[in-house]
Amino acid sequence: AQKVTQAQTEISVVEKEDVTLDCVYETRDTTYYLFWYKQPPSGELVFLIRRNSFDEQNEISGRYSWNFQKSTSSFNFTITASQVVDSAVYFCALSPFYGGATNKLIFGTGTLLAVQP
Amino acid sequence: NAGVTQTPKFRVLKTGQSMTLLCAQDMNHEYMYWYRQDPGMGLRLIHYSVGEGTTAKGEVPDGYNVSRLKKQNFLLGLESAAPSQTSVYFCASSWDSYTEAFFGQGTRLTVV
Repeated sequence: AQKVTQAQTEISVVEKEDVTLDCVYETRDTTYYLFWYKQPPSGELVFLIRRNSFDEQNEISGRYSWNFQKSTSSFNFTITASQVVDSAVYFCALSPFYGGATNKLIFGTGTLLAVQP
Repeated sequence: NAGVTQTPKFRVLKTGQSMTLLCAQDMNHEYMYWYRQDPGMGLRLIHYSVGEGTTAKGEVPDGYNVSRLKKQNFLLGLESAAPSQTSVYFCASSWDSYTEAFFGQGTRLTVV
């Protein structure tokens, strides 16, 4: 069974602070993909990143970075020097890699990030 | 580029009424999903489809039915609406479950 846990329900930071959003996952599959999506106050869901289970290298994109650790089943997301525009709900998600009718994309419960000016 | 379009955007139903939510995508994606979003519950998968003519149950399928008669459309039906089905519904599509999913704007459904 697949499961994604985002233990942090809400986080509040002051602008320019660094913040890390935690994601812990469970799967029996050896090959899988992990995702992060952003949902700003306007409501749409925006794809941020995809990472496969064979690639544990950290990834950095501007102020965003992701730390994937298979040993702890975690895929954490860090925002450096946060800005008010980063305020949103962030979702972590998991999907197996192989084809078949049992493939499905499962989301965590999300973390609401509020960045105060 | 339309992407994923959901119809309607808002709806109020009385308990016991039925309705169908339509999701249309123009990206020739194989996979389509219906999720519901409730406070503190995140996005929960209702039903999904891995191709035209196929459907499968997700995490919370009870009270809903789906059909995928055409590749570009994925319909979500509520046969007898209940207040517990008050939620925001999102449709999504993707090439496969492990590729980027594109989401519709959401449908806010209230059952009174």
